[in-house]
Amino acid sequence: GENVEQHPSTLSVQEGDSAVIKCTYSDSASNYFPWYKQELGKGPQLIIDIRSNVGEKKDQRIAVTLNKTAKHFSLHITETQPEDSAVYFCAAQRKLTFGTGTRLTIIP
Amino acid sequence: EAGVTQSPTHLIKTRGQQATLRCSPISGHTSVYWYQQALGLGLQFLLWYDEGEERNRGNFPPRFSGRQFPNYSSELNVNALELEDSALYLCASTLMATMGTDTQYFGPGTRLTVL
Repeated sequence: GENVEQHPSTLSVQEGDSAVIKCTYSDSASNYFPWYKQELGKGPQLIIDIRSNVGEKKDQRIAVTLNKTAKHFSLHITETQPEDSAVYFCAAQRKLTFGTGTRLTIIP
Repeated sequence: EAGVTQSPTHLIKTRGQQATLRCSPISGHTSVYWYQQALGLGLQFLLWYDEGEERNRGNFPPRFSGRQFPNYSSELNVNALELEDSALYLCASTLMATMGTDTQYFGPGTRLTVL
């Protein structure tokens, strides 16, 4: 089956700095890679996604890059703000496999 | 547009009992997915329903079951509850019935505690 590894498990950055979270997957047939943000007491919310025919996608302060050859994809958050503090999950969604999450803390 | 709703918010049961969790998808969505999120762990895929049929299930025992009703709402049943079933159970819906390739919209979850 599919295996998704996510790193780091925790990440603390100063407000205004950038944060990067990385995921690797095993199934070369995977073609859809969403990122979710989960705040305390809430369900995950999609923040950005990328499909296998694209190498990079950006939405304001958030970007995702995909390297299909190496089978890894990354979430980049620039100019971090306190409200970015949450748990972030990646997924290789073809087999509905999620990473184990990254707890991001923005330090004011 | 209303999002995915789940009920109850919290559910407390004792070991051996049965639990029933409910989910209403976004209007127009026909596919419903169930996930288990145990403390400190990621989301584990449980079940996928579309058009009233179970389309796929994850690596969970048969005591985890469910159904989807004609209005596309869904129910997750967990029989013979065990302590390790304590978790947040999340429901998600999608517009298209192509597993794994459509955007999933999640509900707030039901926190199940087994004592």
